[in-house]
This record gives sequence, C-alpha cells and structure tokens, in this order.
Amino acid sequence: GAVVSQHPSWVICKSGTSVKIECRSLDFQATTMFWYRQFPKQSLMLMATSNEGSKATYEQGVEKDKFLINHASLTLSTLTVTSAHPEDSSFYICSTRGRDTEAFFGQGTRLTVV
Amino acid sequence: DAKTTQPNSMESNEEEPVHLPCNHSTISGTDYIHWYRQLPSQGPEYVIHGLTSNVNNRMASLAIAEDRKSSTLILHRATLRDAAVYYCILRDGSGSGGGADGLTFGKGTHLIIQP
Repeated sequence: GAVVSQHPSWVICKSGTSVKIECRSLDFQATTMFWYRQFPKQSLMLMATSNEGSKATYEQGVEKDKFLINHASLTLSTLTVTSAHPEDSSFYICSTRGRDTEAFFGQGTRLTVV
Repeated sequence: DAKTTQPNSMESNEEEPVHLPCNHSTISGTDYIHWYRQLPSQGPEYVIHGLTSNVNNRMASLAIAEDRKSSTLILHRATLRDAAVYYCILRDGSGSGGGADGLTFGKGTHLIIQP
C-alpha cells in the first residue's frame, strides 16, 4: 500500500500563532489528498480535499482562510492553521487514495494551542 | 457514502477469533465495503475491502452477506496489538467520483482485547 508521511507528529504553539503541517506521499504521486480533524473521543471529520495545482475544496463549516491548504506538488500537501486558538487543538490527519479505492493515512499531528 | 451501523464496543480474549459486524442495508451496487482501524494516537490504517466476494489478506478476512446488506470483519487470532477502533465504511467505486471523495467515518467499534 501507499506510504503517507505526516510531520510533525505533535506540536504545541501559542494562541495567535500559525502552525504548518506537512503530508507527503512517499511512493506514488497523489493528485488528491484529504485532511481530517479528530477531537478527543470523536470520529474523524473531513475538513478539506486538496487537489494538486488547484484550490482546495472545504467542507461546510470549515473556514478556508483559517485552514490554508497548499498542494503544490504530487507528493506534498500542507495544512497551515493560521492564528491558532485553543479550540483548534485537535488531531489532524492527512490521507491519500491508493491505486484501488482504499485510502492511506498519515500518522497524524497532535496540535495543542496554549 | 451510504451509512453503516456498528456496535459501539466489543470485547474478546487474546488468541481467540473476533467477528466484528457491520450493517449497511442501504448499500448501492457500486459501493465497496472498506474496513479501517485506528490505534490510539495514530492515523487510521487500511485493513481490507471487498465488493461481493469474501476477501482474505494477511491482516483479516471479510465476509460479505449474499444480499450485501451486512458484512463481518474477522480477526482470526486476536492479539493485544489488535485493540483499536474499527471502522466499516462504504465507498463508491464507480467512475463518477469513486475514490475522489473523502471518507465518512462513523463512530466505529472499540475492540478491547483481554490478555
């Protein structure tokens, strides 16, 4: 299956600062990547779909100006949480699709905003 | 993606088989049945998927009912490392957007393995 590498695995930042999370597809070219968010004891919620070379598509209720997504190459998508606040503290996970219909996920990034 | 229903939690003993059920009565003809699992503090991990026939791989087996309205993920010999939340998800495999959309996760089944 595909290998998806996400970095960093955890980050603590001060309220009001921005944080960038990277997601790399290591062994194949990913035209589409997905970003999810998971709050404690809850399931994953899709935030946005990132398409290489074009603008990301955001799910309803997700602020596109707050969660900036860049997918400049076929192997790298980044999610930047701008002006982070404590309520943005969550587990962020990226994913890409394999050669069939299965999905492969990064290790996740635990963001804590203090 | 069509909705699935799973028990909130299940408990099993180590080295015994585990059968995780999933109901998907509104499944369409082009929906694949996918299973993922999520260990604590990790991203989900692909387990197995199938369309109509039963499937086996190194991790598990997937038994699909003849009418496709339910399926069962089978772990043949559970270990402590299999303790995780298991998600059953339907994914459209047709040409129109098949796989181009993100997954819709339900609450899954929290599998507890007793030593």
